[in-house]
Amino acid sequence: NAGVTQTPKFQVLKTGQSMTLQCAQDMNHNSMYWYRQDPGMGLRLIYYSASEGTTDKGEVPNGYNVSRLNKREFSLRLESAAPSQTSVYFCASSEVSGSNYGYTFGSGTRLTVV
Amino acid sequence: EDQVTQSPEALRLQEGESSSLNCSYTVSGLRGLFWYRQDPGKGPEFLFTLYSAGEEKEKERLKATLTKKESFLHITAPKPEDSATYLCAVQPPRAASKLTFGTGTRLQVTL
Repeated sequence: NAGVTQTPKFQVLKTGQSMTLQCAQDMNHNSMYWYRQDPGMGLRLIYYSASEGTTDKGEVPNGYNVSRLNKREFSLRLESAAPSQTSVYFCASSEVSGSNYGYTFGSGTRLTVV
Repeated sequence: EDQVTQSPEALRLQEGESSSLNCSYTVSGLRGLFWYRQDPGKGPEFLFTLYSAGEEKEKERLKATLTKKESFLHITAPKPEDSATYLCAVQPPRAASKLTFGTGTRLQVTL
């Protein structure tokens, strides 16, 4: 059972470069989420997709875009990376939006912007 | 604005030494309170959801409880494999997808 798979695991970008973080889940979940985790701060929601074909902003959406490619895949794009976007990014999924059964998280992408 | 405060930031226990982690929250109505475990270099792993004051849930050496203002994660006779960061999150009633997470308690259990 793969669960939630994120690629890449590590990435170093120069300021101004762009990149896309990939996320795929194999649990037939309807909802998917992107979080960032920074030292001394809790996980913060960037964007989420309650169901295929919909996306909504979370707490910290500026500088990011997302695409729900199909039910399995939800990508996060940084169009022009900034040092403030240095963080660990987690993708998660749940059966339904805001599921009380908890979210399944991927193992994260550690991004450094220099 | 929803807020979650976890204490202590770090806790070191000897094997078998029971203790509790605290999660204090402020939210306008609570739909659910979640506990997650996070190992270094990994994503959080779901443990429990609590819905109303007085509710308790158990899993092996862990027991989570909930009051109107806080939740406790009790660890009974911990083992070194319980070492991890424990995260708490609250779910507001009208924005179910928008969990607010605390910064976590880093637990280390030594022999």
